[in-house]
Amino acid sequence: AQKITQTQPGMFVQEKEAVTLDCTYDTSDPSYGLFWYKQPSSGEMIFLIYQGSYDQQNATEGRYSLNFQKARKSANLVISASQLGDSAMYFCAMRTGFQKLVFGTGTRLLVSP
Amino acid sequence: DTGVSQDPRHKITKRGQNVTFRCDPISEHNRLYWYRQTLGQGPEFLTYFQNEAQLEKSRLLSDRFSAERPKGSFSTLEIQRTEQGDSAMYLCASSPMAGSTGGYTFGSGTRLTVV
Repeated sequence: AQKITQTQPGMFVQEKEAVTLDCTYDTSDPSYGLFWYKQPSSGEMIFLIYQGSYDQQNATEGRYSLNFQKARKSANLVISASQLGDSAMYFCAMRTGFQKLVFGTGTRLLVSP
Repeated sequence: DTGVSQDPRHKITKRGQNVTFRCDPISEHNRLYWYRQTLGQGPEFLTYFQNEAQLEKSRLLSDRFSAERPKGSFSTLEIQRTEQGDSAMYLCASSPMAGSTGGYTFGSGTRLTVV
């Protein structure tokens, strides 16, 4: 069975600092995709970054980068230069075979001035 | 195209009543997904459609739940005889056939409260 584990219920960071949100995954499928989504209090899920299981390079999207360690089955999200608007829930998710996403329980990030 | 639309945004209903939610996906997306998110949890998969065909249903989807996508465009999710445990955010997402890099676009969700 596919599973995503996010062990940090909450994280605090000061504005302009970098923060790492942890994600580990479990699957026996050799082909999979890993996603990070941001969910503000308004509820919508905002796509941040994607990493394919066969991608050789770590994905980057602006201030977001994904630290993909395949052997450890981890896919941590790094946010550089945090902004107040980054305060939200962050979900790691995985897609395998049937195209559905399996989500973790999320990490609440709070950015302080 | 303005993205995935869900209607209504909020719904309060009495236990035992039926409710129906609507999702309008991005027009060129073939696949449509429904997820349920309870407080403090990540979204859980309920069901998905490829065009008008419902290809997978989660065990979470009891007999009281039914979803349709009659013409391969918009979709409806109906809950019959609502229970307090049905209170949750219901999220819809769509993706193109390949469903790859960032291809999932989510709507803002319908928040259901059963009193």
